[in-house]
Amino acid sequence: GEDVEQSLFLSVREGDSSVINCTYTDSSSTYLYWYKQEPGAGLQLLTYIFSNMDMKQDQRLTVLLNKKDKHLSLRIADTQTGDSAIYFCAEITDAGNMLTFGGGTRLMVKP
Amino acid sequence: DVKVTQSSRYLVKRTGEKVFLECVQDMDHENMFWYRQDPGLGLRLIYFSYDVKMKEKGDIPEGYSVSREKKERFSLILESASTNQTSMYLCASSRVEGELFFGEGSRLTVL
Repeated sequence: GEDVEQSLFLSVREGDSSVINCTYTDSSSTYLYWYKQEPGAGLQLLTYIFSNMDMKQDQRLTVLLNKKDKHLSLRIADTQTGDSAIYFCAEITDAGNMLTFGGGTRLMVKP
Repeated sequence: DVKVTQSSRYLVKRTGEKVFLECVQDMDHENMFWYRQDPGLGLRLIYFSYDVKMKEKGDIPEGYSVSREKKERFSLILESASTNQTSMYLCASSRVEGELFFGEGSRLTVL
């Protein structure tokens, strides 16, 4: 079955890098996604990576995918207080077309 | 600017009441979704729809039904609300698999 797991909480200081980790169990994942949820708001798609890629960079965001270990990470460089939010990873597999979400990681950025 | 609008941000209902949660999108998307979000559990799919008058069960459909009479509108119905349905409900729409646009959420409390 599908299972996507994340740690619940991460705290960093402003200006540091944040690394949010995610593991998944389904080896047939085709796309993996990172969504951000700011307080009181719905989720917003941040970035995604195709399963045949190892890395994707988009400004301050770097996504790393280790398909062998089924491990996905999101690195935020120069983390700002505005990055404080809940970050969800999600996957789509070739067996279906629905997203499976992890439980979300709450990122707290201290000034 | 793309928009998914949920009719109610906060609702308080009593056990046994019928509850309607409405969602409207202005992007002409075929796909619409209802999720519930609970701390530590991430997002769980209740129902989704690929077209008008079409609906498919998600992972946790029990106790819920949906209606999609028009392309832009997808309603979630709780026929007889129970306390374990206290949650945040998120509506989303998409054209491309995996790239979802979310509403701001409806927080339902059932007393």
